[in-house]
Amino acid sequence: NAGVTQTPKFQVLKTGQSMTLQCAQDMNHNSMYWYRQDPGMGLRLIYYSASEGTTDKGEVPNGYNVSRLNKREFSLRLESAAPSQTSVYFCASLGLDTQYFGPGTRLTVL
Amino acid sequence: GQQVMQIPQYQHVQEGEDFTTYCNSSTTLSNIQWYKQRPGGHPVFLIQLVKSGEVKKQKRLTFQFGEAKKNSSLHITATQTTDVGTYFCAGSVNDYKLSFGAGTTVTVRA
Repeated sequence: NAGVTQTPKFQVLKTGQSMTLQCAQDMNHNSMYWYRQDPGMGLRLIYYSASEGTTDKGEVPNGYNVSRLNKREFSLRLESAAPSQTSVYFCASLGLDTQYFGPGTRLTVL
Repeated sequence: GQQVMQIPQYQHVQEGEDFTTYCNSSTTLSNIQWYKQRPGGHPVFLIQLVKSGEVKKQKRLTFQFGEAKKNSSLHITATQTTDVGTYFCAGSVNDYKLSFGAGTTVTVRA
């Protein structure tokens, strides 16, 4: 059981570039989440998917899009990266009331 | 929207001393969860509290959920260097979404 995996681990983008962060879980969980973590601000929910085929906005969705490709995979896309999107991004899945987090992607936008 | 406030933001503790971190919500919660994030790591689930006035212990950690289900605390006794990290509380008002506090970052002086 790998749990929740994320790729890439690190990424540097220039302003205006696009990229997709990948997330997969092998625990057969229905719900998946994308958070961003910035110093002093905790974890803020970007988007979530309560079940396969559904996605909903969280607290800070602007500048992001998501795709729940299947039950295992939930991707996060930045269409036109901005320096304000420099952050650590965590994917999580929900099992038995507990959220299981991936190792994170550290993104820097120059 | 729901807000979860956590204090203090930083806690510098002498090894062997006790400390408490507090979590307050603007709304009544269905449950509250606590997570620990080691430096450079990802959040890891510690515990969930569901009942009004509930108290749970994990070795040197004591978790409480307030009677009104709007506040919680984490008390650590005899702090050790292994306690270093950031402790997050996260409140839930529905089945899918958690609202995270900003976290308490703990450093320990040996």
